[in-house]
Amino acid sequence: GAGVSQSPRYKVAKRGQDVALRCDPISGHVSLFWYQQALGQGPEFLTYFQNEAQLDKSGLPSDRFFAERPEGSVSTLKIQRTQQEDSAVYLCASSFLGNEQFFGPGTRLTVL
Amino acid sequence: GNSVTQMEGPVTLSEEAFLTINCTYTATGYPSLFWYVQYPGEGLQLLLKATKADDKGSNKGFEATYRKETTSFHLEKGSVQVSDSAVYFCARAGGGNKLTFGTGTQLKVEL
Repeated sequence: GAGVSQSPRYKVAKRGQDVALRCDPISGHVSLFWYQQALGQGPEFLTYFQNEAQLDKSGLPSDRFFAERPEGSVSTLKIQRTQQEDSAVYLCASSFLGNEQFFGPGTRLTVL
Repeated sequence: GNSVTQMEGPVTLSEEAFLTINCTYTATGYPSLFWYVQYPGEGLQLLLKATKADDKGSNKGFEATYRKETTSFHLEKGSVQVSDSAVYFCARAGGGNKLTFGTGTQLKVEL
């Protein structure tokens, strides 16, 4: 497909479970961003990659959150020992060297 | 730090009414400014942008002007349609081009 894709679209986890969220950026896009969007709020920055290098992870809320992009393409956001406050929509965006960010549809995570 | 403040919604208008959604940003440097739109059931889409003071971004009848003196980037449209019903987010770029978003304004347009 031509756009950013994310999987799964919906994830329900029990408190304490680990989850992994996947992002497939647009082919050739160097930059990849993760955002967290709580209900009724705007997206908040989590982390940023340029190719495989994670250049900024200042928005990750705790050390339970970990992101990787080992080959500079697909990225995975992992959340360990999920908590109820982790419930949100997780958005991925990609761009070509600082131009417009294209967003995926998001993964809605619900932690019970 | 960087922040963006936009008017709370929901905003309810009749079709063909004039729309303004206010947005102000913190003035650290001269960031690029954006309006994103989220239609029901869809992902965020870039609506328009402006990269420097006095620039006007426009798309689909929507306009916003980068006002350095008032640190504002208000979104306007002269005549809204039912199909414009969506949530609108104002955003500014920061270091590394990461975006800081406002909380979003829901627009409902009725016949």
